[in-house]
Amino acid sequence: RKEVEQDPGPFNVPEGATVAFNCTYSNSASQSFFWYRQDCRKEPKLLMSVYSSGNEDGRFTAQLNRASQYISLLIRDSKLSDSATYLCVVIRYGGSQGNLIFGKGTKLSVKP
Amino acid sequence: EADIYQTPRYLVIGTGKKITLECSQTMGHDKMYWYQQDPGMELHLIHYSYGVNSTEKGDLSSESTVSRIRTEHFPLTLESARPSHTSQYLCASSDLGTGRRNEQFFGPGTRLTVL
Repeated sequence: RKEVEQDPGPFNVPEGATVAFNCTYSNSASQSFFWYRQDCRKEPKLLMSVYSSGNEDGRFTAQLNRASQYISLLIRDSKLSDSATYLCVVIRYGGSQGNLIFGKGTKLSVKP
Repeated sequence: EADIYQTPRYLVIGTGKKITLECSQTMGHDKMYWYQQDPGMELHLIHYSYGVNSTEKGDLSSESTVSRIRTEHFPLTLESARPSHTSQYLCASSDLGTGRRNEQFFGPGTRLTVL
């Protein structure tokens, strides 16, 4: 089982729709959580950090449930420019491996 | 925009050639990483470094090697390129520390094709 699992997608939605992405992580030692966005044939870029209290940035809301080891990203009023792959990322401190663990990503396609 | 650079952006080369992919960052970050990503697939960590003279292998086994002689520079070398090395190689860097400071900044990537 992969350490970070995401909905495989693709999610094909009309403009204005609300979309929710889910992510689960298996290592309870994970300590920091992020959503990254990767456009086609481009590098990943940080979208937002995820906090236990939940956090919002404009149309984007991220939630973390440590007990269930579950992370979510909600996009409201989706725009054509939201089309991208969304990567769930966790950080596990310590150990001999690099810290960031990337999920495989969920592809979103917003249609007019 | 992140100050992390990769050259070349695209490279097409024949089997058996030695290649070096360059990565440099001007943010003074201690941590640097190399990822390999095939089209439509996930990122795989192949190398990372916590500072000068520190290099470690990542989750995905790779025939490439890296060096970290200067903080800002983290080149990746393939001694003898093969078609199986065809992929996109992404370099990233981040601060040491916790929370937001662990944000990784990615370079634009090098698309390598080995014929």
